[in-house]
Amino acid sequence: DAGVIQSPRHEVTEMGQEVTLRCKPISGHDYLFWYRQTMMRGLELLIYFNNNVPIDDSGMPEDRFSAKMPNASFSTLKIQPSEPRDSAVYFCASRLGTSGYTFGSGTRLTVV
Amino acid sequence: QKEVEQDPGPLSVPEGAIVSLNCTYSNSAFQYFMWYRQYSRKGPELLMYTYSSGNKEDGRFTAQVDKSSKYISLFIRDSQPSDSATYLCAIETRNYGQNFVFGPGTRLSVLP
Repeated sequence: DAGVIQSPRHEVTEMGQEVTLRCKPISGHDYLFWYRQTMMRGLELLIYFNNNVPIDDSGMPEDRFSAKMPNASFSTLKIQPSEPRDSAVYFCASRLGTSGYTFGSGTRLTVV
Repeated sequence: QKEVEQDPGPLSVPEGAIVSLNCTYSNSAFQYFMWYRQYSRKGPELLMYTYSSGNKEDGRFTAQVDKSSKYISLFIRDSQPSDSATYLCAIETRNYGQNFVFGPGTRLSVLP
């Protein structure tokens, strides 16, 4: 298995633009998580899905952030409009049942 | 008080040393305990996963959990330069949904 695949690896965008981050979880995993990592705040859980259904989105910072999981093999995290304070590394992770998480390599987002 | 506390380091040790990394937590409801290793510009990688008090060993790594003291440790024997990374503890409870919290991480450098 190729692991959790995220795209793009790097994204540089101007303030106000829409940004879409993509994730392909490990096949068969029933949980998918979106995390944001910054030096100041560490790893923060944004939202997680179980069997494609959003379970807890209390970590989503604002209405500018939205996430979808249309099927078991794909999820997106969208920021619209983007702001410089959204600059961070965004990780997607998946798990099967009670196992530990497997993380993707992350998307480094820079909003200028 | 933060839910999970961890000394951010940096911690520098000579090659071959025994390394001790520690976390404390405040919520006695936490049930599952993990250690992740994160290399620069990579996603966190699961090292150890346990749910009981006591020790769990895997090669050069030993995870120790003391639920009565709310204290977890990771020991690395015969440390190698390739162990240089940030080590994050992660603690989880699955009562009433999932509550998964990462520590801020300890940056470790093993000097040849």
